[in-house]
Amino acid sequence: AQTVTQSQPEMSVQEAETVTLSCTYDTSESDYYLFWYKQPPSRQMILVIRQEAYKQQNATENRFSVNFQKAAKSFSLKISDSQLGDAAMYFCAYRSPFGGDKVIFGPGTSLSVIP
Amino acid sequence: GAGVSQSPSNKVTEKGKDVELRCDPISGHTALYWYRQRLGQGLEFLIYFQGNSAPDKSGLPSDRFSAERTGESVSTLTIQRTQQEDSAVYLCASSFGLGGTGELFFGEGSRLTVL
Repeated sequence: AQTVTQSQPEMSVQEAETVTLSCTYDTSESDYYLFWYKQPPSRQMILVIRQEAYKQQNATENRFSVNFQKAAKSFSLKISDSQLGDAAMYFCAYRSPFGGDKVIFGPGTSLSVIP
Repeated sequence: GAGVSQSPSNKVTEKGKDVELRCDPISGHTALYWYRQRLGQGLEFLIYFQGNSAPDKSGLPSDRFSAERTGESVSTLTIQRTQQEDSAVYLCASSFGLGGTGELFFGEGSRLTVL
């Protein structure tokens, strides 16, 4: 069974600085999706960024980028130029590409942004 | 509506009562998920529906929990004889099945408090 691990329960970053959140996963599949979701205090979960495992290029979305290391089964999220609105819980998630499997979430990392 | 809709947004009940939570997914989404999130914790998978296939009920914590879905539309999560440990936010998410981007779209959740 697939598992997702986030080893950093809490992180903090100074405003305008860069922070990296870690995620590792375990799977025997060769193709899959990986996601980072953000959950602000308002609790609505929203997608930050997604990566398809067959793609070599790391995904980027504005200030958010990932470092996808398929062989190491690692999927870290880098937030550049951190803003106060980035403060939230961040969840790493894994999904099989075939649409017939449940989505597995990591335990989350709570990110604080210091003004 | 355009997004995933959940009701009620807040529910306070007495121990031993039954509760029913509702989720209205995005139109056209064949996959629907229920997760439980206790205060300050990650997402705990409960149940997954994919089209007309048999649901994956492997995450339901006890036989007091059940869920139904009518075709590819509304789902209800029922908790019988509620206990204080059932207090949590119950999140619903939907997505496309095969051929989709894999992204989950979340509702705002139903916060259940069992007194």
